[in-house]
Amino acid sequence: EIVLTQSPATLSLSPGERATLSCRASQSVSSYLAWYQQKPGQAPRLLIYDASSRAPGIPARFSGSGSGTDFTLTISSLEPEDFAVYYCQQRINWPLTFGGGTKVEIK
Amino acid sequence: QVQLVQSGAEVKKPGASVKVSCKASGYSFTSYGISWVRQAPGQGLEWMGWISAYNGNTDYAQKLQGRVTMTTDTSTGTVYMELRSLRSDDTAVYYCARGVSGWYLGYWGQGTLVTVSS
Repeated sequence: EIVLTQSPATLSLSPGERATLSCRASQSVSSYLAWYQQKPGQAPRLLIYDASSRAPGIPARFSGSGSGTDFTLTISSLEPEDFAVYYCQQRINWPLTFGGGTKVEIK
Repeated sequence: QVQLVQSGAEVKKPGASVKVSCKASGYSFTSYGISWVRQAPGQGLEWMGWISAYNGNTDYAQKLQGRVTMTTDTSTGTVYMELRSLRSDDTAVYYCARGVSGWYLGYWGQGTLVTVSS
């Protein structure tokens, strides 16, 4: 099973600041990595797939990069609605696995 | 538009079973499989397994093998997830989700809270 480790666990930032979230895989997942956003009481929402492709309707301030074992989700300028928990997920191997999440909170 | 609508919250005693439904609409039901993902209170996401809506093939997470069964009803476009021998640590919100671009989960149900308590 591929283990995904996200860091930091919590990121405290102000609106307008840049957020950089990390996801590291225990073995190569090539580019088969996604990022999700989850707000309290809601289902996760797909943001990024194949490491760097934005899902339909996702604003351009969200971008993904990386390949192999190291990946980054960047939010260029935080909007109030971006404060949430973010998860990465790999799809190269069964079982599908998720990272433990990074909470982006208002500083 | 694609919609996945799940059944309502459940409260079960330890040792009991629960069956959660997920009704799909807005797309060709048999063209996509459905995954189930659960989330314990305050915790992260755990993939439970997947079922093909085309032929009913399944793949379950190893830790749930023997306790979980996923089925489909193509006549109604509904997927079911049954979990048996419930324990307190099965308390979670259970989500169904449909894939996009392979095994990324692009469409999600609203979630079903299953509480296991004596």
